Amino acid sequence: GQSLEQPSEVTAVEGAIVQINCTYQTSGFYGLSWYQQHDGGAPTFLSYNALDGLEETGRFSSFLSRSDSYGYLLLQELQMKDSASYFCADPGGGRRALTFGSGTRLQVQP
Amino acid sequence: DVKVTQSSRYLVKRTGEKVFLECVQDMDHENMFWYRQDPGLGLRLIYFSYDVKMKEKGDIPEGYSVSREKKERFSLILESASTNQTSMYLCASSLKINEQFFGPGTRLTVL
Repeated sequence: GQSLEQPSEVTAVEGAIVQINCTYQTSGFYGLSWYQQHDGGAPTFLSYNALDGLEETGRFSSFLSRSDSYGYLLLQELQMKDSASYFCADPGGGRRALTFGSGTRLQVQP
Repeated sequence: DVKVTQSSRYLVKRTGEKVFLECVQDMDHENMFWYRQDPGLGLRLIYFSYDVKMKEKGDIPEGYSVSREKKERFSLILESASTNQTSMYLCASSLKINEQFFGPGTRLTVL
């Protein structure tokens, strides 16, 4: 089966850097996607790591290590608008669908 | 701009009613998905479809069925609504499995 573990909550201050971790136990792991969801909104795609290493997109970066079954989302220069829930997801498991982690709620404080 | 629409933002139904949730995408995507989202549980996959008239069970299909008669439309059906189906329902579509586009969601309350 598929299992992706994330911390339930993270708090950080404006301007800081925060890392949201995701560890997985999945059969047929394919890669790691990250989604952002603001309260009352729909999840939106942030990034995808098919290979080990760091992918950078502006203030957001995502990292994958297959040997450690681990990835993270790094948010730099935090802004209040980054307060949201963040989900990791894996498109593996032998089916054409994503399995999501339970999500990490990020609270950015002034 | 990519667009996924869902028929209702809020819906209130009674126990035992048959409920239809509609989802339409305008991106010509082959893949469509239905999830439910509950606090602390993330997004759980109910059903998905990778082609017209094709459907696959997700992780929690019990009590639900789906219909995909046209490529752009994917319907979720609650055959006999129960209070434990009170939830946020999210539809998504995708060309690539790792990058899905979500609709705004339907918050369903079953009384």
